[in-house]
Amino acid sequence: AQSVTQLGSHVSVSEGALVLLRCNYSSSVPPYLFWYVQYPNQGLQLLLKYTTGATLVKGINGFEAEFKKSETSFHLTKPSAHMSDAAEYFCAVSEGWGGSYIPTFGRGTSLIVHP
Amino acid sequence: KAGVTQTPRYLIKTRGQQVTLSCSPISGHRSVSWYQQTPGQGLQFLFEYFSETQRNKGNFPGRFSGRQFSNSRSEMNVSTLELGDSALYLCASSLLGQGNFVQGGELFFGEGSRLTVL
Repeated sequence: AQSVTQLGSHVSVSEGALVLLRCNYSSSVPPYLFWYVQYPNQGLQLLLKYTTGATLVKGINGFEAEFKKSETSFHLTKPSAHMSDAAEYFCAVSEGWGGSYIPTFGRGTSLIVHP
Repeated sequence: KAGVTQTPRYLIKTRGQQVTLSCSPISGHRSVSWYQQTPGQGLQFLFEYFSETQRNKGNFPGRFSGRQFSNSRSEMNVSTLELGDSALYLCASSLLGQGNFVQGGELFFGEGSRLTVL
């Protein structure tokens, strides 16, 4: 069975500071990994995903994430936070062929950006 | 291309009533999944439909049901509502199972239907 752990239900940063949101997963087969963002009163929107190939993945709005198999991690980063980045962020894993392709989501991390 | 459309966006019901929520997927997407989102439990998978068949089901009681029509539109129904059913219900469509798994099963979400049970 697959699972996702997001460390920290809330992360607070100043505008212009580095954003780091942590995600660790467990999966019995090679995983597909996703980060989604949810703004208030909206659905989830895909930020980026890792399927195969390059382990450093770039997404929208300047975000990127690195798949580290040895650490079973897929942390999300952004060099400089903007006020508009304030939102809820969800990490998700699916297992692809041989496993459950239905994504399992982490509990979410609320990103707070201070001026 | 139009996104995933969910109706209604907001609704208020009382305990014991039943509710039906509707979801229109992105054109060409045949997979529709439903999730329940609450502050306490996060995103919980309800079920997934593909070509009018339920392919996967989460761990929810039988009061929660769904169906999918030939045009891929989907509905979910909750009967005998309980206070704990208050949540944001999210629908997501995807190309899962349509020979595009290399895309990794990306989900496209609607804005959700917020249900309040009094």
